[in-house]
Amino acid sequence: AQSVTQLGSHVSVSEGALVLLRCNYSSSVPPYLFWYVQYPNQGLQLLLKYTSAATLVKGINGFEAEFKKSETSFHLTKPSAHMSDAAEYFCAVTPSGAGSYQLTFGKGTKLSVIP
Amino acid sequence: DGGITQSPKYLFRKEGQNVTLSCEQNLNHDAMYWYRQDPGQGLRLIYYSQIVNDFQKGDIAEGYSVSREKKESFPLTVTSAQKNPTAFYLCASRSGARGHSYNEQFFGPGTRLTVL
Repeated sequence: AQSVTQLGSHVSVSEGALVLLRCNYSSSVPPYLFWYVQYPNQGLQLLLKYTSAATLVKGINGFEAEFKKSETSFHLTKPSAHMSDAAEYFCAVTPSGAGSYQLTFGKGTKLSVIP
Repeated sequence: DGGITQSPKYLFRKEGQNVTLSCEQNLNHDAMYWYRQDPGQGLRLIYYSQIVNDFQKGDIAEGYSVSREKKESFPLTVTSAQKNPTAFYLCASRSGARGHSYNEQFFGPGTRLTVL
């Protein structure tokens, strides 16, 4: 079984400041990990994914995340926040290997960007 | 353009009525999924289908039903047995044969269902 914990249901940052959204996972086998973004009343869009090729993953819109096995973490960062980054962010995990089709999502972190 | 369409965008239902939410994809994806989203709850899996004419229950299947008669279509019926159906419903699809769990899911724009 796998699970995802996102610390902080709401995070506020000033425009131009560092964005750090936390994600910790639990998985009995090596995981694949994903970050998605959701704007109000829309579907989810993939930001980036970890599939064991590299521990530091770069995604769209200047976001990146680092897989740390020892800390069971996959935190999302962006050096400088834009107003357009205001949205809800979801971390998700799936076990690697055959027969793994389901994603388990965290409860989400809503990011506010203060001008 | 390839993608996933969900209709309608907003749906209102009276208590005791069944309602069907549409989900269509032209990505030629094998797997399709239905999620329910409530504020502060993240996404919870209702049903998923890996292949035509086959589907499995997710974590919260009670009060819902699905069919998968065509690869591109995966409609969800919210029945009167669902006690609290007001929510945002998201459909997703994913490519890849068995074992390709690293392939991401692509999401539709969602349907917001309100029970009056």
